[in-house]
Amino acid sequence: DAGVIQSPRHEVTEMGQEVTLRCKPISGHNSLFWYRQTMMRGLELLIYFNNNVPIDDSGMPEDRFSAKMPNASFSTLKIQPSEPRDSAVYFCATLRETRNEQFFGPGTRLTVL
Amino acid sequence: AQSVTQLDSHVSVSEGTPVLLRCNYSSSYSPSLFWYVQHPNKGLQLLLKYTSAATLVKGINGFEAEFKKSETSFHLTKPSAHMSDAAEYFCVVSLNQAGTALIFGKGTTLSVSS
Repeated sequence: DAGVIQSPRHEVTEMGQEVTLRCKPISGHNSLFWYRQTMMRGLELLIYFNNNVPIDDSGMPEDRFSAKMPNASFSTLKIQPSEPRDSAVYFCATLRETRNEQFFGPGTRLTVL
Repeated sequence: AQSVTQLDSHVSVSEGTPVLLRCNYSSSYSPSLFWYVQHPNKGLQLLLKYTSAATLVKGINGFEAEFKKSETSFHLTKPSAHMSDAAEYFCVVSLNQAGTALIFGKGTTLSVSS
């Protein structure tokens, strides 16, 4: 099993540009989570999908952030337009319904200049 | 309300000596508790979890944690530290049994010197 796959691993962009982060969950895991990690705020849940449907997006900071899960094998987190304060490590995690353990991807380190 | 507090932001030990990373939780019912480890520039890896089956939980890499309800604690221990244990450790409480709503502690950085 390849685990949770995220791409890109690093992204450097300029303020105002659109950024798309991608996640491929572990096969058979039907819940997917997007987290953001910063020094100041630690790990924060942004949004959570179950069976491809967004369940809780209360952590999405503002309308510049959007997330989709068009099928069970793929999810995206988009920031448009990006701002320097969006610089962080973004993690995708997935969970199998029969167990309560979340498995994390390696993360995408985003730097917005 | 559920919460988790990691009592030390940084712990330093020598290789071969015991490790103790402290965590206290607050929960209105019997919680699910986890310890995750994050090595530099890596994702989070599950070390162990407590879900009421046994109060002493053994995890990977020689780590274990004991759930103490009377003290509302879930401290992580290892008898003998290895250089490869240097990492950030997160104590996590789940808001539900399904594990879909996690609250993360602020993390403890473990340094191991030779």
